[in-house]
Amino acid sequence: SAVISQKPSRDICQRGTSLTIQCQVDSQVTMMFWYRQQPGQSLTLIATANQGSEATYESGFVIDKFPISRPNLTFSTLTVSNMSPEDSSIYLCSVAPRVYYGYTFGSGTRLTVV
Amino acid sequence: DAKTTQPNSMESNEEEPVHLPCNHSTISGTDYIHWYRQLPSQGPEYVIHGLTSNVNNRMASLAIAEDRKSSTLILHRATLRDAAVYYCILLNTGTASKLTFGTGTRLQVTL
Repeated sequence: SAVISQKPSRDICQRGTSLTIQCQVDSQVTMMFWYRQQPGQSLTLIATANQGSEATYESGFVIDKFPISRPNLTFSTLTVSNMSPEDSSIYLCSVAPRVYYGYTFGSGTRLTVV
Repeated sequence: DAKTTQPNSMESNEEEPVHLPCNHSTISGTDYIHWYRQLPSQGPEYVIHGLTSNVNNRMASLAIAEDRKSSTLILHRATLRDAAVYYCILLNTGTASKLTFGTGTRLQVTL
């Protein structure tokens, strides 16, 4: 299965600032996904990042708040913009290199906004 | 998306089998049944998946009801390292193939 490197692993940020999270995969993948996991909650899909096109956002998530880049088939970034304490969560990226052999998840970025 | 229903939590003794149930009464013919688990402070990891027949791998077994409206993830000998949240997810291969997580079952394993 694919190996994902996600950076940073954690950060503490001031409200009103932005943080960019990087997701690097060791093989080419068509689709990459970004999730948010709020404290004590399950995972919620933010958006699907496709190479060469704009990301597809789920209901409740907008590009201005969570801009995503996907410059090639092995890399993506998620930016959390104009942060507030409510954005404190774990953010995870995921890929599906081989659909029927499971999706792989990064270890997550634990974000605390103060 | 078809919905799944799982118990919020279950307990097991170490080295005993664990049967984690999942109901999915609105499953469609093209929905695969996937199981993932999330260990503490880690991202989810794939456990097993199936369509109609029972499946086995090194981690677990998946038993699928004949009508496909329910399934059971079987851990044959639970260890403390199996303590995690287990998610049962339906994945329709005809759509954009995104995983939608429910609340899952938190499995506690005790000595």
